[in-house]
Amino acid sequence: DVVMTQSPLSLPVTLGQPASISCRSSQSLVYSDGNTYLNWFQQRPGQSPRRLIYKVSNRDSGVPDRFSGSGSGTDFTLKISRVEAEDVGVYYCMQGTHWPQTFGQGTKVEIK
Amino acid sequence: EVQLVESGGGLVQPGRSLRLSCAASGFTFDDYAMHWVRQAPGKGLEWVSGISWNSGSIGYADSVKGRFTISRDNAKNSLYLQMNSLRAEDTALYYCAKGGALAAAGPGDYWGQGTLVTVSS
Repeated sequence: DVVMTQSPLSLPVTLGQPASISCRSSQSLVYSDGNTYLNWFQQRPGQSPRRLIYKVSNRDSGVPDRFSGSGSGTDFTLKISRVEAEDVGVYYCMQGTHWPQTFGQGTKVEIK
Repeated sequence: EVQLVESGGGLVQPGRSLRLSCAASGFTFDDYAMHWVRQAPGKGLEWVSGISWNSGSIGYADSVKGRFTISRDNAKNSLYLQMNSLRAEDTALYYCAKGGALAAAGPGDYWGQGTLVTVSS
């Protein structure tokens, strides 16, 4: 199975400051169709997960542009340009290229 | 408005079975793959199973392979998860999630509120 490794697992940030989460996969996530099926999800406390980014760098509808995704192959990053209070929660990367599909362990973002 | 409503959870003894359902509305169900994702209490997300739009492609997590069966009824806009030989470690909130046109896209832009499965004697 493809192992997704996130770092850090805990990320205290100051409001208005940037934040960055790394996600590494144990195998390349390039699919046979040429796409890379790497997604990022946000889970706020007490809520269902919400997808923020799909195929590495595409923002979902309604996702603020302070969120951005980048990377290729096995190395990916989620960046928040200026953290706001509503960004508190756990962030997960997830790969769909290989079955079984797998999530990272999650990164807990909290305000300092 | 897209809605995914899970049902069928509850308290069940180890070794017994349970069938989860997910009623979908607000989108063309048979155009999309569907997924089940679970979250044990206080833990992270675990992808459980996914099924392509026409049931031609199906996958399972290693932890449930051989015990769980995913299926869908496109005529009823419904997704199912038959869970057999349940174990204490299957205790979790089970989410139904809309996928993409391709199953490889993974769980996508809409998730249900989840249904809680508790396996305990």
